[in-house]
Amino acid sequence: GAGVSQSPRYKVAKRGQDVALRCDPISGHVSLFWYQQALGQGPEFLTYFQNEAQLDKSGLPSDRFFAERPEGSVSTLKIQRTQQEDSAVYLCASSEDYGGETQYFGPGTRLLVL
Amino acid sequence: SQQGEEDPQALSIQEGENATMNCSYKTSINNLQWYRQNSGRGLVHLILIRSNEREKHSGRLRVTLDTSKKSSSLLITASRAADTASYFCATVLVLNNNNDMRFGAGTRLTVKP
Repeated sequence: GAGVSQSPRYKVAKRGQDVALRCDPISGHVSLFWYQQALGQGPEFLTYFQNEAQLDKSGLPSDRFFAERPEGSVSTLKIQRTQQEDSAVYLCASSEDYGGETQYFGPGTRLLVL
Repeated sequence: SQQGEEDPQALSIQEGENATMNCSYKTSINNLQWYRQNSGRGLVHLILIRSNEREKHSGRLRVTLDTSKKSSSLLITASRAADTASYFCATVLVLNNNNDMRFGAGTRLTVKP
């Protein structure tokens, strides 16, 4: 079956623009995670959904970052008024179990803010 | 914030040699996982070792865990050029039914044919 997919794969934004990043998890997976990966670093946790409920958003770096998963499947990460330090790869992962012991990652969206 | 620290940061070996990567961490864990990431791609789950386990094998991979030293190692035997990738350890602590997963900065492995 299909794995986790993300779109777009690459996004170039001008500073101040809003962006929306999409994640399609594996069908039936209840848990969904967003991570931010800076160049040369490991992923850092942003937020976690269990079905449509956002149970943990402690990793979101500022109130410019907003994530939703309204029907418990597709999720969107929105970044408002992008800044250069937002440039990173944004990874989405899904898991069939509650809590996400084993996570399956998408290919990521590489965001470059100019 | 990142929890694990991988060592070395970069490793270059010849095909057929073994590659050993280490991971140290600071807090308690429920399990530790190793992932591989090819350039420009997402992470691929390799192996999970629980806090009450000391060693685990999967194909050419061998993972050890020493909770007293808060360290883990990943050994890839008989390496191949296709093993060239970045390898990350991730510590997991279960909090409020959520697996709080923290990654290290990774080891960049190059296997020369």
